[in-house]
Amino acid sequence: EVQLLESGGDLVQPGGSLRLSCAASGFTFSSYAMTWVRQAPGKGLEWVSTISGSGDSTYYADSVKGRFTISRDNAKKMMYLQMNSLRGDDTAVFYCAKAAGPNSCRLEYWGQGSLVTVSS
Amino acid sequence: EIVMTQSPATLSVYPGERATLSCRASQSVTNNLAWYQQKPGRAPRLLIYSASTRAPGIPGRFSGSGSGTDFTLTISSLQSEDFAVYYCQQYNQWPPVTFGQGTKVEIK
Repeated sequence: EVQLLESGGDLVQPGGSLRLSCAASGFTFSSYAMTWVRQAPGKGLEWVSTISGSGDSTYYADSVKGRFTISRDNAKKMMYLQMNSLRGDDTAVFYCAKAAGPNSCRLEYWGQGSLVTVSS
Repeated sequence: EIVMTQSPATLSVYPGERATLSCRASQSVTNNLAWYQQKPGRAPRLLIYSASTRAPGIPGRFSGSGSGTDFTLTISSLQSEDFAVYYCQQYNQWPPVTFGQGTKVEIK
C-alpha cells in the first residue's frame, strides 16, 4: 500500500524558512517522480515543484523559483521542500504526491498534507 | 502556460441524478488530462487519467471523455459520497503543471 506522510508544517514569520518532509512507503521510491502541490485556504490546487525519480531534474513554479528547493533521498525514501524567504501568500496546505512514472506529473497518490502558515 | 478552465463553478444536483463537468484547455493537451476529487479537509484523489481511464478502485459511475482541448467528467448517478470539489489537471506540457479552478458539486 502506497503511503505518503508529510511533516514540518508550522507557523513562521515572513522572511523565514521552513523545511517540509515527505516520507514514502509501499513502492519503489526511486522509480517515480515526486511533486509538491499546495492549496491556500479556500482556494484551488497549485503545482509547486517536481523532482524526477533519479533526482537529476527539478522543476519549479515561477511563484517559488529561487526561494524553494526540492530534493530527495532515495535511500531513505524521503522528499523535501526547503522554503526560504517565505511570504504571506505562501500560506497553504502542502501536499506531496507520487507520480505515475520517473518523469511524469500524473499524480497517483497524495499525502494528507502539512499546513504552513506565514504570519507575524 | 496552458490554462485550464472548468465549468460550471458550482453544480447543484439531486442524489441519483447525472452530473456533467467540463474542462477546457487553452491549447491541446492530447489526452494527458486527469480528474481529481477532493472532499473537505481531505487530500485530492485521482479519479481519471489519460482523459478516460478510471484509476484503480474508482466506481464505474465515474467516466471521462474528450481529447485535445475539451474534456468532460460524468457521474452517472450521484451518491452522497460524491458531493465534493473536482479538479482537472493537464500533464501534457509542463512545467508548469496546471489545474483548473475546480467545480463544486453540491446537493440540490
